[in-house]
Order: sequence, then C-alpha cells, then structure tokens
Amino acid sequence: DSGVTQTPKHLITATGQRVTLRCSPRSGDLSVYWYQQSLDQGLQFLIQYYNGEERAKGNILERFSAQQFPDLHSELNLSSLELGDSALYFCASSVGQGGSLSSYNEQFFGPGTRLTVL
Amino acid sequence: DAKTTQPNSMESNEEEPVHLPCNHSTISGTDYIHWYRQLPSQGPEYVIHGPTSNVNNRMASLAIAEDRKSSTLILHRATLRDAAVYYCILRDVRRTYKYIFGTGTRLKVLA
Repeated sequence: DSGVTQTPKHLITATGQRVTLRCSPRSGDLSVYWYQQSLDQGLQFLIQYYNGEERAKGNILERFSAQQFPDLHSELNLSSLELGDSALYFCASSVGQGGSLSSYNEQFFGPGTRLTVL
Repeated sequence: DAKTTQPNSMESNEEEPVHLPCNHSTISGTDYIHWYRQLPSQGPEYVIHGPTSNVNNRMASLAIAEDRKSSTLILHRATLRDAAVYYCILRDVRRTYKYIFGTGTRLKVLA
C-alpha cells in the first residue's frame, strides 16, 4: 500500500458525459501527479500540482482539467468524454516538486481508477 | 520533447544481474533520467533516478553514458518479484518539468 488513495476504483459512463476522479496523496506529500495509461498510448504524464499550484503540464487534453485543494487532495475532471478516453488513470504523490536528486521527489502511485466510456 | 527507446521485452535468469538499456539520443542538458517499474495489476513504483552516472540504491544502479545519450538500469540479482514492465523516463528539471515516458521493457525472470 503506497498510501495514495484514489476513488472510485471503477467508473463506467457514456460518451459526452463528465466525470471527476479523486486522489488523496500520502500524508505530508505536497505534489500530486496525474497519469493516463491506455493500451494504444501507454503511460502518459498529464499534469502535476505542487502545494495547490500547477507545476508541470504534459499531454493533457483541453477537455480535461485538474486542481489541487488546500487540504492537498486533487481532482481530475474529464468532460465531453469519448471512447478513446477509456483508460486507467493513476495519481501519484511526492514530498517535493522535482528537480533534484533528493528522495523527496520519489513518486508513490495510487492503485488507479479504471474509466470505461461506452 | 526528448524521446526514449527501450526494447519491448527481455528475459533473465533468477539471481543473475539484469541490464536494461534505454536510448535517449535527444536528451537535453536539463533532463534527468528516471526509472519506474510496474508490476502486474499495480501502479508504477519508483526505482532510481539521476542526471549522471553512478547512482545507486538498495534496488538498483543507474549507469549513464558519458554523452548521456543512453543509460542502463542494473538490477544486481534478479528475483521472480522483479518481473515487471520497466519504464525509462526523461524529465526536464529546469523548464517544463514534463515527464516523457518510454514504451517500457517487459522483464521476464526465469526460475
């Protein structure tokens, strides 16, 4: 158990809908990262927040948005869902924001949320 | 963005060292090299990271070529539990802070 929790574990919805995925980081971690893992695209970095502010942006679609709240939990919002958005979405957390050799930048991943868009 | 290239799969015998290669010929001076692995039905887990060679921890060693265009993850003694997909990742630590994942190498450990 990494200490990172994600809810829900599974989500089934229809095209065009909007969903929210939730992540609670490990106690004391200030950074939250979101990743998408699909069969055709592999593992892709979406976005990172550090202490409530956006720190890095990857291949996140405009239909997707995220935020990190004052209690450090994070939500990933996916809207106008398409069949191709079906994937496993991982959240990870770390103490630091990255950029050094410090162990504070080691990421701990949650178990993921499996999204199925029908 | 820089890109990483890894072999799709590798096999190793249990209790022998494993060398997992990664090519990143377009690496920039501000990229760090990270390795994560993903065991079956689990989220990825951290293995090691660094900007230059001679990084070691209890799990592995990271050997980076002098020109930084390739690197090798070294597992000292493979166990059955090390069977996983290993991802070589670049992260720009000065500008974009983006993580660029490779396609991963599936390591099979033979008993």
